[in-house]
Amino acid sequence: KAGVTQTPRYLIKTRGQQVTLSCSPISGHRSVSWYQQTPGQGLQFLFEYFSETQRNKGNFPGRFSGRQFSNSRSEMNVSTLELGDSALYLCASSRRDRPTNEKLFFGSGTQLSVL
Amino acid sequence: SQQGEEDPQALSIQEGENATMNCSYKTSINNLQWYRQNSGRGLVHLILIRSNEREKHSGRLRVTLDTSKKSSSLLITASRAADTASYFCATDEKAAGNKLTFGGGTRVLVKP
Repeated sequence: KAGVTQTPRYLIKTRGQQVTLSCSPISGHRSVSWYQQTPGQGLQFLFEYFSETQRNKGNFPGRFSGRQFSNSRSEMNVSTLELGDSALYLCASSRRDRPTNEKLFFGSGTQLSVL
Repeated sequence: SQQGEEDPQALSIQEGENATMNCSYKTSINNLQWYRQNSGRGLVHLILIRSNEREKHSGRLRVTLDTSKKSSSLLITASRAADTASYFCATDEKAAGNKLTFGGGTRVLVKP
């Protein structure tokens, strides 16, 4: 069974641009969560989707958005990039509708650098 | 915000020694999980302990949970160079909905 796949693995953008990151969960997993990891703030929760519905959102500005498709694949978008958006963006999937009650399977992440 | 605070922030030990790291949290939880991360890659789940459990084992890992003190510990016995990684605790807060709140992590270096 393939693991969680995140694309691209690395991304370099300049300030003001926008970016879209993609996540394909493990087959059969319906919950997808996104996390941002930086050296200063650690791992911060962005949002969680289940069956195409966003059920929870972290404390990030509206420039950060996401969606989930009917095949459970998810994308997150960051508009008007700022230097502080440079981070490792991690996607995680789980089977059930209460993802925090079981283990999460993480992808390898997308390393975003904003210049 | 980070629910869990981990201690120590970094740990250096020799192969074969035990490594212990602690996690403290602030609010009531449903469960607590530990994850390992190698060199900025994705996190790998190690163990989940529920709020009504006090201790759990998995191979060389032993996790304890003390809900009265709002703390947990992870013990890695007979460490190996391959255990070199960052270790994170993550809490499922009762009031938070479907998200895990991660601690700052403990960087463990196991020297051969």
